Amino acid sequence: KAGVTQTPRYLIKTRGQQVTLSCSPISGHRSVSWYQQTPGQGLQFLFEYFSETQRNKGNFPGRFSGRQFSNSRSEMNVSTLELGDSALYLCASSSTQGSYEQYFGPGTRLTVT
Amino acid sequence: GQNIDQPTEMTATEGAIVQINCTYQTSGFNGLFWYQQHAGEAPTFLSYNVLDGLEEKGRFSSFLSRSKGYSYLLLKELQMKDSASYLCAVPYGNNRLAFGKGNQVVVIP
Repeated sequence: KAGVTQTPRYLIKTRGQQVTLSCSPISGHRSVSWYQQTPGQGLQFLFEYFSETQRNKGNFPGRFSGRQFSNSRSEMNVSTLELGDSALYLCASSSTQGSYEQYFGPGTRLTVT
Repeated sequence: GQNIDQPTEMTATEGAIVQINCTYQTSGFNGLFWYQQHAGEAPTFLSYNVLDGLEEKGRFSSFLSRSKGYSYLLLKELQMKDSASYLCAVPYGNNRLAFGKGNQVVVIP
């Protein structure tokens, strides 16, 4: 099976812009979670989608949003980018809701200038 | 909430043994994960402990004490490719993982 894929791998944006990141889970996996990783804060949970519904949300401002499509692919969007949004954004998929084992994609490295 | 604590960095020599500790506080316990993450890459699954005790998988072993809120990852016969960050994580809610900040292991010849 192909692993979790994320596009793009690298992105440079300027403050105030918005960005959309994409994640394709492992075939058959219906749950997609998003995490932000920074040197200072480590890996932090953003949100999780299952069957096109957001089931869980972390402690991030409303500028961070996401969605999931019927084929389980997911996108996350960050509006009005700030310098502090520079991070590695990782998505992870798992086979069922309530399954704790997650498989991570390679991440999207976002740099905000 | 969840609180996970890991030391930040350690250096060890090729062939040595290194122990990476993780202490956690969590409301409700559903096991503990260890992940390995090489620089610029995705975290990859190493182990999942639910019951107390030591689980061995080749050169890597993981230990859990639920009463002490403590786990460690033991890396034996260190190789250069083991230079990476090692993250412990506890699940909470549905499909959420709370991660420690990771322990950077640097293996030197």
